[in-house]
Amino acid sequence: EVQLVESGGGLVQPGRSLRLSCSASGFTFHDYAMHWVRQAPGKGLEWVSHISWNSGSIGYVDSVKGRFTTSRDNAKKSLYLQMNSLTTEDTAFYYCAKGKSGGYGLDVWGQGTSVTVSS
Amino acid sequence: DIQMTQSPSSVSASVGDRVTITCRASQGVTYWLAWYQQRPGKAPKLLIYDASSLQSGVPSRFSGSGSGTEFTLTISSLQPEDSATYYCQQVNSFPWTFGHGTRVEI
Repeated sequence: EVQLVESGGGLVQPGRSLRLSCSASGFTFHDYAMHWVRQAPGKGLEWVSHISWNSGSIGYVDSVKGRFTTSRDNAKKSLYLQMNSLTTEDTAFYYCAKGKSGGYGLDVWGQGTSVTVSS
Repeated sequence: DIQMTQSPSSVSASVGDRVTITCRASQGVTYWLAWYQQRPGKAPKLLIYDASSLQSGVPSRFSGSGSGTEFTLTISSLQPEDSATYYCQQVNSFPWTFGHGTRVEI
């Protein structure tokens, strides 16, 4: 079964850091680009970041540039999101998602992990 | 960044009805557009990619069309399980941006 499982979310104070992980199974992880998408409580979806299959291309939405870092370990079939200098605006459910092959879109999603930034 | 505008923001329809959702891009994205369904408390699910290609396993009552700046998602015969929020996403250039969503109520 193709599956993504996020972990690492929780409650954190403003200005602190958190690292999210996403573990993949059921597909050849190193063949696919991966993405992070977030959803603030009661709000819509916001694309956050992507990383190409070989980490050669990495991009971010402007609101997290310089604060968030996406990385992957293909040997461990894992995706990471290092989040620094967190603000209350970063409070959201964070999903990892797999880039589709043979087209563009996000065809496999994890169940998400909740990040709450509050003092 | 490319802005995506969906309309309507919500729609209420009956089982069996035809429902159409529109998505407009602030600049052309050729056919690089995806549609997702998100049920309450669940992760999004890819329905349509490349504007009109049906994702494997998605019922054929869902269809997508359009190119350039205007796109539509059509549900040909609404079913109770289609109650959800639907999002378009341009995948033409980073940052990939989503529309604000359309809530479909039965």
